[in-house]
Amino acid sequence: DTAVSQTPKYLVTQMGNDKSIKCEQNLGHDTMYWYKQDSKKFLKIMFSYNNKELIINETVPNRFSPKSPDKAHLNLHINSLELGDSAVYFCASSHGHRATGELFFGEGSRLTVL
Amino acid sequence: GQQVMQIPQYQHVQEGEDFTTYCNSSTTLSNIQWYKQRPGGHPVFLIQLVKSGEVKKQKRLTFQFGEAKKNSSLHITATQTTDVGTYFCAGYGYGGATNKLIFGTGTLLAVQP
Repeated sequence: DTAVSQTPKYLVTQMGNDKSIKCEQNLGHDTMYWYKQDSKKFLKIMFSYNNKELIINETVPNRFSPKSPDKAHLNLHINSLELGDSAVYFCASSHGHRATGELFFGEGSRLTVL
Repeated sequence: GQQVMQIPQYQHVQEGEDFTTYCNSSTTLSNIQWYKQRPGGHPVFLIQLVKSGEVKKQKRLTFQFGEAKKNSSLHITATQTTDVGTYFCAGYGYGGATNKLIFGTGTLLAVQP
């Protein structure tokens, strides 16, 4: 069983469209994250939820809206996609949210905006 | 804000040579973690260091946390082709940044057989 699973793995879409990425973890963790990895491989944190509560919201455009229906799921919806949104989006989870423990990453969702 | 830089950005070695990547944070870290990302893959946790001056080994990999808890290094002895990938350090800060794991800029290691 995959510990952290993301769907879809690949998205190719036109500018201006809206897209969603889903993430689920079966590790029993209470904290989930979205990271963005750009073409230079920089990994930047976007959001974090702890038990469905938003605890980290970095400087991310309002077009990005995370949703956590329960502590095992964290989705990311992106409105009005722009070329600069092209990247690999990684979901991750951890046990606890205060400087503890390792992050478990999903396989990533590669978004290409044309 | 907190920044974590790594050098070198890229290193190409012959199989059997040693490799070291250095990680420097602009602020003191409560702990440091290291991850490896294979080409086309996702980051995978390698190790966590917590104490000032701590050194840990995993087979051919040696990890070190600086005395001031602002820098760290990863040394690989006698590289193998399976070591290929990008190595990231990542640290938690103090105060308001304790819940944010900030990743370094990464070092891409290429190993020629």
